[in-house]
Amino acid sequence: GAVVSQHPSRVICKSGTSVKIECRSLDFQATTMFWYRQFPKQSLMLMATSNEGSKATYEQGVEKDKFLINHASLTLSTLTVTSAHPEDSSFYICSARMREDMNTEAFFGQGTRLTVV
Amino acid sequence: GNSVTQMEGPVTLSEEAFLTINCTYTATGYPSLFWYVQYPGEGLQLLLKATKADDKGSNKGFEATYRKETTSFHLEKGSVQVSDSAVYFCALRGAQKLVFGQGTRLTINP
Repeated sequence: GAVVSQHPSRVICKSGTSVKIECRSLDFQATTMFWYRQFPKQSLMLMATSNEGSKATYEQGVEKDKFLINHASLTLSTLTVTSAHPEDSSFYICSARMREDMNTEAFFGQGTRLTVV
Repeated sequence: GNSVTQMEGPVTLSEEAFLTINCTYTATGYPSLFWYVQYPGEGLQLLLKATKADDKGSNKGFEATYRKETTSFHLEKGSVQVSDSAVYFCALRGAQKLVFGQGTRLTINP
């Protein structure tokens, strides 16, 4: 299947700083990318959906000014956690889909574990 | 709204044992159902899927049948291997997006 690469896999940052997570589709063009968050022993929760060249659509309860998503090209989306706090510590996973047809399979990155100290 | 409940882990089995991981769902309409697997250090991979009632998805010896009457999509494998150790996620897709269960960590001992 297609490969989605997420970087970094782990990051530790100080409270108040910003952290950027990259999600790249390596061998296909991703018109749509998704960002999820997973708390320990809980489900993956969809944070936002981004389409290349347009603003991301955020799920209810997700602060768009805190979690900045940029999908500037067909192979790269970034999630920036701004002014991070310990409660932002979590596992973040991206996925990418080739076409806007939602019946197309989405491929997942390996995830990024963020720890804010 | 749509939701997925799956068997809490961790689950630990011996090699060649029979595996069942339970998954039930709540959804409006007729969702598609999925099992994803996440091996250590890797992303989620689609393991199998079923798009309508009574469909059976299968892959790598794993099977799951879409049971509308019991709103279930239990994952089964007749004889597990050490290499099956991973986290397994049940998910459904309704009109818009994927909704995941909380994941079940499976460890297979030799």
